[in-house]
Amino acid sequence: EVQLVQSEAEVRKPGECLKISCQVSGYSFTNYWIGWVRQMPGKGLEWMGIIYPGDSDTRYSPSFQGLVSISADKSINTTYLGLNNLKASDIGIYYCARHSIGGSIASPFDYWGQGTLVTVSS
Amino acid sequence: DIQMTQSPSSLSASVGDRVTITCRTSQTIDTYLNWYQHKPGRTPNLLIYRASSLQSGVPSRFTGSGSGTDFTLTISSLQPEDFATYYCQQSYTAPNTFGQGTKVDIK
Repeated sequence: EVQLVQSEAEVRKPGECLKISCQVSGYSFTNYWIGWVRQMPGKGLEWMGIIYPGDSDTRYSPSFQGLVSISADKSINTTYLGLNNLKASDIGIYYCARHSIGGSIASPFDYWGQGTLVTVSS
Repeated sequence: DIQMTQSPSSLSASVGDRVTITCRTSQTIDTYLNWYQHKPGRTPNLLIYRASSLQSGVPSRFTGSGSGTDFTLTISSLQPEDFATYYCQQSYTAPNTFGQGTKVDIK
């Protein structure tokens, strides 16, 4: 069974950094692109970026380039989303999700993590 | 980036109604268009991929159509469990942008 399990909710102060994790199981981690999606309170889904764990090839949305970092650790089947210099505007739920076709970005997200709520407050 | 325009942004409907949501892209994407359903407190759920292919386990009342720049999601007979927000997404090229969402609520 394919599963994506994300780290728990986090509370940080403005200016702090944060790394959210997404550990997968049930399929070959290195062969499928994984993406990160943000949902701000009361807003829609935003595609942030993706990583191919096999070689750590990474693509970012221009809206998030330089603001976040995506990485992967093949030894523990885990991908990470790093958020730097947190602001109130970073508040939201962050999801990881798997592209459905191995090696292909031209496919939908078929499995999703449960989401990680990030709160930024002084 | 490819821009996605969904309409309407919200709609009210009754159980049994036929509901249609449209999605227009700023450039042609062949049929690389996906539809998701998202309920509060849940993860998004893939309904339709490649514009018209029904994801396994999704009821047949959901259908998708279109190609190029204009796409449609139709719910043939709205059920109580279908009240949710629906998003289109293009997977033609990165960034795989989402539409802004269409909230379907009870009339």
